[in-house]
Amino acid sequence: RKEVEQDPGPFNVPEGATVAFNCTYSNSASQSFFWYRQDCRKEPKLLMSVYSSGNEDGRFTAQLNRASQYISLLIRDSKLSDSATYLCVVNFSLGFGGNKLVFGAGTILRVKS
Amino acid sequence: DGGITQSPKYLFRKEGQNVTLSCEQNLNHDAMYWYRQDPGQGLRLIYYSQIVNDFQKGDIAEGYSVSREKKESFPLTVTSAQKNPTAFYLCASSVWTGRTQPQHFGDGTRLSIL
Repeated sequence: RKEVEQDPGPFNVPEGATVAFNCTYSNSASQSFFWYRQDCRKEPKLLMSVYSSGNEDGRFTAQLNRASQYISLLIRDSKLSDSATYLCVVNFSLGFGGNKLVFGAGTILRVKS
Repeated sequence: DGGITQSPKYLFRKEGQNVTLSCEQNLNHDAMYWYRQDPGQGLRLIYYSQIVNDFQKGDIAEGYSVSREKKESFPLTVTSAQKNPTAFYLCASSVWTGRTQPQHFGDGTRLSIL
């Protein structure tokens, strides 16, 4: 089983649609969660951190379900500029006090006019 | 402007050759990381460094080497032992605290075999 799993998509949606991505992770001890956005042939950029109580940033809402070990990202009122790959990122303990971030393979979103 | 600079943007390697990818940051971050990304796959951790003069192997360190002589710099050498080096290489940095912090990335180096 992969440490962080995402539906690869692609999700093809019209402008204005609401779209949701889910991500599952295997390490129940994980403490930090993030969503990154990666445009084609570019570096990943932090979209938002994910907090236990859920958090919102404009049209983007992130949720965390620790019991089920999944994270979600909801995008409302999709824009053409939202087209990108969305990476789910989770920290994993390295066993000696250190941590590392593990990246999912990403979910492709295509917003069409 | 603070940020992470990777160079070169594109690099070609001949058979049996070692090549070095540069990564410099002026964010005053303690920790630095190297990842490779293959098409359709997530980022995989090659090496990371929490502090100057110290570094640790990641998940796929074989065929790679690093050094961390300065806080700002974390070069990656792709050696001839790495048989499949063609990939997109990303360097990242973060503040190192007891809690994992988000990482900030350079704009990457694309390495291909000639």
